[in-house]
Amino acid sequence: GAGVSQSPRYKVAKRGQDVALRCDPISGHVSLFWYQQALGQGPEFLTYFQNEAQLDKSGLPSDRFFAERPEGSVSTLKIQRTQQEDSAVYLCASRVGQLEQYFGPGTRLTVT
Amino acid sequence: AQSVAQPEDQVNVAEGNPLTVKCTYSVSGNPYLFWYVQYPNRGLQFLLKYITGDNLVKGSYGFEAEFNKSQTSFHLKKPSALVSDSALYFCAVRVGRGGGADGLTFGKGTHLIIQP
Repeated sequence: GAGVSQSPRYKVAKRGQDVALRCDPISGHVSLFWYQQALGQGPEFLTYFQNEAQLDKSGLPSDRFFAERPEGSVSTLKIQRTQQEDSAVYLCASRVGQLEQYFGPGTRLTVT
Repeated sequence: AQSVAQPEDQVNVAEGNPLTVKCTYSVSGNPYLFWYVQYPNRGLQFLLKYITGDNLVKGSYGFEAEFNKSQTSFHLKKPSALVSDSALYFCAVRVGRGGGADGLTFGKGTHLIIQP
């Protein structure tokens, strides 16, 4: 079946612009996660949804980062007023039950 | 707070030889442990997990890992390496059900290079 998909795959933004990153989880997966992976580092947790409820947003680095999943399926990660330090790969993952997470290919964000 | 350490940035192994990629963890409560592999310009692919039960778990592509509670380790192993195993490997941990946070904590990754 289809895996987790993310769009766009690549995004270049000028500093100060707003960006929106989309994640389509695996159908039927209740849980959805966002991670940020800086160059040469492991992914770092940003936020977690169970259906449409955002249960954990402790990893969001600032109030410029906002995530939503209004209908419990597709999720959008929005970054306002992008800064150079926001440049990273943003990974989305989904999960059924308490098992492993399945990751999408990521969106590489470059802020110039 | 939970953490994962992968002490080796890079591991070099000759094709056909056994390989080990090391991982140690720190978590308050029962750990759920995972190994993922990342190929260039691709997302993370799940290899195997330890939730409970046998300490030796088997996963995809002939990989296995051994959970050692006393040493808080979860090393990844394979009896005979292939050149195609060359990739970036990540160990990850979370606290088990009811322990709170669901997000995974990852190590920094280990580059595995298999030489022909």
